[in-house]
Amino acid sequence: KAGVTQTPRYLIKTRGQQVTLSCSPISGHRSVSWYQQTPGQGLQFLFEYFSETQRNKGNFPGRFSGRQFSNSRSEMNVSTLELGDSALYLCASKKDSYVNSPLHFGNGTRLTVT
Amino acid sequence: KNEVEQSPQNLTAQEGEFITINCSYSVGISALHWLQQHPGGGIVSLFMLSSGKKKHGRLIATINIQEKHSSLHITASHPRDSAVYICAVLVGSTLGRLYFGRGTQLTVWP
Repeated sequence: KAGVTQTPRYLIKTRGQQVTLSCSPISGHRSVSWYQQTPGQGLQFLFEYFSETQRNKGNFPGRFSGRQFSNSRSEMNVSTLELGDSALYLCASKKDSYVNSPLHFGNGTRLTVT
Repeated sequence: KNEVEQSPQNLTAQEGEFITINCSYSVGISALHWLQQHPGGGIVSLFMLSSGKKKHGRLIATINIQEKHSSLHITASHPRDSAVYICAVLVGSTLGRLYFGRGTQLTVWP
């Protein structure tokens, strides 16, 4: 069974541009959550989706948005990129909404903003 | 103040030593995860706990809900255990909303 797949693995963008990152969960998983990891702040929760609905959002500005499609694949978008958006963006999937369901992480997309 | 505090921040050990990493949290939780992150970024979930103790190979994780504390132990450490270990707590009944500790960088020398 394929794991969580994130594309692209690396991305370089310029300040002011926008970027879209993709996450394909494990087949059959309906929950996808997104996280940002920076050296300064560590790992932080961005948002989570279940069955195409955003269920929760972290404390990030409106420039960060996401969506989930009917096949459970998810995308996150960052508009008007800032240097501080340079980070490793990770997504994780779960099979269902139960607390005890295992969480599976992708390998991340490393975004560099110049 | 961070909801999740981990200690130590850095840990160096000789191969074969017993390792303990501690995690304290200040909020009510549904579950606690111990995660492992290797260079390159990918994260693997080692354990998910809501009570008691779990063991997988040389790794043992314990949690004390009343004291809001968890520990990750590695017995007979090996250089391949070198990684960042991250404690994360799941708050409320949400699906995947985690609060993370800052991580413990473990280096095991042969």
